[in-house]
Amino acid sequence: AQSVTQLDSHVSVSEGTPVLLRCNYSSSYSPSLFWYVQHPNKGLQLLLKYTSAATLVKGINGFEAEFKKSETSFHLTKPSAHMSDAAEYFCVVSVNGNKLVFGAGTILRVKS
Amino acid sequence: KAGVTQTPRYLIKTRGQQVTLSCSPISGHRSVSWYQQTPGQGLQFLFEYFSETQRNKGNFPGRFSGRQFSNSRSEMNVSTLELGDSALYLCASSLVGVRDNEQFFGPGTRLTVL
Repeated sequence: AQSVTQLDSHVSVSEGTPVLLRCNYSSSYSPSLFWYVQHPNKGLQLLLKYTSAATLVKGINGFEAEFKKSETSFHLTKPSAHMSDAAEYFCVVSVNGNKLVFGAGTILRVKS
Repeated sequence: KAGVTQTPRYLIKTRGQQVTLSCSPISGHRSVSWYQQTPGQGLQFLFEYFSETQRNKGNFPGRFSGRQFSNSRSEMNVSTLELGDSALYLCASSLVGVRDNEQFFGPGTRLTVL
């Protein structure tokens, strides 16, 4: 079965420093992977998606992720954190078309 | 374009009651999916509807059901509510015909079962 594992439940960074949120996936074939963000009391917003085109995917708000098949990873990065980035981030794999399987989430805290 | 709307935003029910949640997709989107979000289980897929037919189903008991209307609006129903059904229920809509197209989520309905 396809699944994703987010390696950190909480990540804390200082404003202006790099962000790294880690995700490993399990899939028997080339997966479709996504990162979503959820701000408090708001719905989920798509940050970026990988669908077997370029392995380095650029998303909104300066985020990007790199698909590494050899490591079965899809880590999310951003060069410089902003206070507004504080939120919960979900790594997601698509199964059977529109069924999304979510990771447990990583809460990102940004310190001033 | 208006986003995905869900009504009501908040609900309080008691055990044993039933509840109906509503979702209006983005105009032109014909696929609607439902997810349950709880602190313990995280985000879990309930079901997906397309053209008034359930196309995908998650691992939830039969107390959870849904339907879709000809205008793509969808409702989900939970019967015989249990305390564990307290959750944020999220609806998402997407276009069809494109593999793994982006799903757009609504703000959710917060259900509390007492």
